[in-house]
Amino acid sequence: EVQLVESGGGLVKPGGSLRLSCAASGFTFSSYSMNWVRQAPGKGLEWVSSISSSSSYIYYADSVKGRFTISRDNAKNSLYLQMNSLRAEDTAVYYCARGFGGVRGAIDYWGQGTLVTVSS
Amino acid sequence: EIVLTQSPGTLSLSPGERATLSCRASQSVSSSYLAWYQQKPGQAPRLLIYGASSRATGIPDRFSGSGSGTDFTLTISRLEPEDFAVYYCQQYGSSLKTFGQGTKVEIK
Repeated sequence: EVQLVESGGGLVKPGGSLRLSCAASGFTFSSYSMNWVRQAPGKGLEWVSSISSSSSYIYYADSVKGRFTISRDNAKNSLYLQMNSLRAEDTAVYYCARGFGGVRGAIDYWGQGTLVTVSS
Repeated sequence: EIVLTQSPGTLSLSPGERATLSCRASQSVSSSYLAWYQQKPGQAPRLLIYGASSRATGIPDRFSGSGSGTDFTLTISRLEPEDFAVYYCQQYGSSLKTFGQGTKVEIK
């Protein structure tokens, strides 16, 4: 069974940093691209970033480019999102999600999400 | 960036009725790389359709997708009680994946 478990969310002040982690199990992690998608409270889904299986290709939404960094450790079956210079508008549930069909593929499995709140 | 516009914003229907949801792209979606997701309150989204018309594993055949280029449609042939939820389209043909704003299907 595919499982994606996010951690690392919490309350942080504007301008602060946070690192999210996603532990993957139930599939060959190193064979799949991965994504982060967020959802602000009561709002729709927003794609944040994607990383290919070998980390060769990385893409970011314009809203986070230069502030967020996606990475992965295939030996640890883990995905990460380093978030710097956080703003109030970054407040959201952050989902770790598996891609299929390559880094430009759809998303077939989602974690349950971790809440990030940016507030003073 | 490809902008996806979903309509209507809310669809009020009764169980057993047919639901037709629209997703329009600001420019052509490469190779019909369009997906549909369902999200219920407090839950993560679930993949329904990919490649514009292919059903994901385990998705009932009352869900169907169609379209190409800039116009796509998700059809639910006969609404079941568990189908009342929010539906999102997403394009993944460009390096910047984008979602539509969602259509809520509510019980009339």
